[in-house]
Amino acid sequence: DAGVIQSPRHEVTEMGQEVTLRCKPISGHDYLFWYRQTMMRGLELLIYFNNNVPIDDSGMPEDRFSAKMPNASFSTLKIQPSEPRDSAVYFCASLRGGGTGELFFGEGSRLTVL
Amino acid sequence: AQSVTQLGSHVSVSEGALVLLRCNYSSSVPPYLFWYVQYPNQGLQLLLKYTTGATLVKGINGFEAEFKKSETSFHLTKPSAHMSDAAEYFCAVTTYTGRRALTFGSGTRLQVQP
Repeated sequence: DAGVIQSPRHEVTEMGQEVTLRCKPISGHDYLFWYRQTMMRGLELLIYFNNNVPIDDSGMPEDRFSAKMPNASFSTLKIQPSEPRDSAVYFCASLRGGGTGELFFGEGSRLTVL
Repeated sequence: AQSVTQLGSHVSVSEGALVLLRCNYSSSVPPYLFWYVQYPNQGLQLLLKYTTGATLVKGINGFEAEFKKSETSFHLTKPSAHMSDAAEYFCAVTTYTGRRALTFGSGTRLQVQP
């Protein structure tokens, strides 16, 4: 079975540009999570969905960040406009609600904002 | 609310030596505990987990961890380090009530010297 699939793996953009990160969770998983990893702050939860509905977005840094999950097999994280401090690795993870709480992570999207 | 503290951001051992990575947690309800490993430029991979039952849990690559409720600890050990164990290790906690997202520690980078 395919794992969590994220794209792009690497993105370099200039300040002010819009960035869209994409995630396909594991089929049958009903929870989807977006995390951000930086040297300074470690792994931070940005937002998570259950059955495509956002449950907790308290970790979203500010209004420049938005996330959607239009269906069970696709989610996006959008940053508009991007800033250099948004440079980080963004991870998507999914979980099966009836399981033992284990998150399955994608390979991450490394974002560099110049 | 739950939290995780990992003692030591960097640990260095010799090949063949014991590996001990420390994790203490805080949770107002019974926790589910996890150790993940992250190799460079990769996502997080589950090493092992404690949910209920036996407090000594075995994971992949010869790692094990013991849940000690009285000490609120979940330390990760491996009897004999291998060069391929060099990576970053994250302890994480969640509960089955309320918020389903994992809360991660700040990570411990393990170096293995030849």
